[in-house]
Amino acid sequence: AQKVTQAQTEISVVEKEDVTLDCVYETRDTTYYLFWYKQPPSGELVFLIRRNSFDEQNEISGRYSWNFQKSTSSFNFTITASQVVDSAVYFCALRAYSGGGADGLTFGKGTHLIIQP
Amino acid sequence: GAVVSQHPSRVICKSGTSVKIECRSLDFQATTMFWYRQFPKKSLMLMATSNEGSKATYEQGVEKDKFLINHASLTLSTLTVTSAHPEDSSFYICSARDMRAGGRSEQFFGPGTRLTVL
Repeated sequence: AQKVTQAQTEISVVEKEDVTLDCVYETRDTTYYLFWYKQPPSGELVFLIRRNSFDEQNEISGRYSWNFQKSTSSFNFTITASQVVDSAVYFCALRAYSGGGADGLTFGKGTHLIIQP
Repeated sequence: GAVVSQHPSRVICKSGTSVKIECRSLDFQATTMFWYRQFPKKSLMLMATSNEGSKATYEQGVEKDKFLINHASLTLSTLTVTSAHPEDSSFYICSARDMRAGGRSEQFFGPGTRLTVL
């Protein structure tokens, strides 16, 4: 069984502050993929990143960065110099890869990020 | 990137009626599609996996007779909510993946369908 925990239900910061969204996952599989999605009020999921279990390199994309630590089963997401447009619900998700199975994603409960002007 | 569409985007129906939601992959062939359900301010829960040309695989607790899934072609999967009740009101999201690309392939999400049952 897989599980994704996003302990932060809601985070509110003032614009330009840095903010980190936590994600902790559980899986017995040695091969798996981790994802982050953004869901604005419109409801459509916006793909942010996919990382496989064999690649522990941290990644930076503009103001976004991700810290993958297998030792702590965490895949945290940091937004630097936050902007009001970053306000949304952010989901962390996990997919195990069984070498042939077509498994759907297991989502965390999401973190509602509010960026105040 | 690949595009997945859903139709309708919103639907309001009376209790007891059936509602069909379509999920289409517009520029790729989706051998596998997934249906998720999201209650207000809640997470997405996988309902079922739809494989082209075969029966869908339902997650535990999801009634297959109530949520009928048909994946008749490589670009279309449909979810029919039969005899809908107010508790079926939710946001339904599909995603599609080209399994021929293997485990590296991305899941592409549709924009979602908001169902309201009166």
